[in-house]
Amino acid sequence: EAQVTQNPRYLITVTGKKLTVTCSQNMNHEYMSWYRQDPGLGLRQIYYSMNVEVTDKGDVPEGYKVSRKEKRNFPLILESPSPNQTSLYFCASSLFGAGGPYEQYFGPGTRLTVT
Amino acid sequence: AQTVTQSQPEMSVQEAETVTLSCTYDTSESDYYLFWYKQPPSRQMILVIRQEAYKQQNATENRFSVNFQKAAKSFSLKISDSQLGDAAMYFCAYRSAGQGAQKLVFGQGTRLTINP
Repeated sequence: EAQVTQNPRYLITVTGKKLTVTCSQNMNHEYMSWYRQDPGLGLRQIYYSMNVEVTDKGDVPEGYKVSRKEKRNFPLILESPSPNQTSLYFCASSLFGAGGPYEQYFGPGTRLTVT
Repeated sequence: AQTVTQSQPEMSVQEAETVTLSCTYDTSESDYYLFWYKQPPSRQMILVIRQEAYKQQNATENRFSVNFQKAAKSFSLKISDSQLGDAAMYFCAYRSAGQGAQKLVFGQGTRLTINP
């Protein structure tokens, strides 16, 4: 089954404790992205990757890191989480290139609470 | 930068009736794509319908259709014969076909309630 998986689905942590949210897709997609969803703001892009070892900032990258060492995986790293990073996080993937719009497939979301 | 605005934070409709969700966007581009996503309580993001800006014909998918007004930069979603399963948060989204194609720009969302 074609899918994007995220782990964990729920996480409660404390300020300053490093954490990683994993994202994996099995569709051989070049493009992957992280979004955060906050009430009244919709979804905003954090980082994206066009292919292995190619990543770039989205609209709200502060406090986050990513890496793309393998095509299928795109982990989101919070080196020192703060309460303003409490949010719902989505990973997405799609094909990319001329001939779009390729549908973005979303993971199930990760609910993060930083106390 | 492109922006997407959904001016209706909440909407409600009687089951079997028709409801229209509004979306406007701001862009200087001529080629782009527009989407409506549904987010039920499960939080999963589900693509409902898409529209290519170069196509004049409005997209339809079963009970879902759009009214795409390119000059007015408006992209509303009409749900006909509303069902209880349509209750969800709905997001309008924009994607450039050129520079900036690497991201979806989302509106704030409209929470739709279906009254039985």
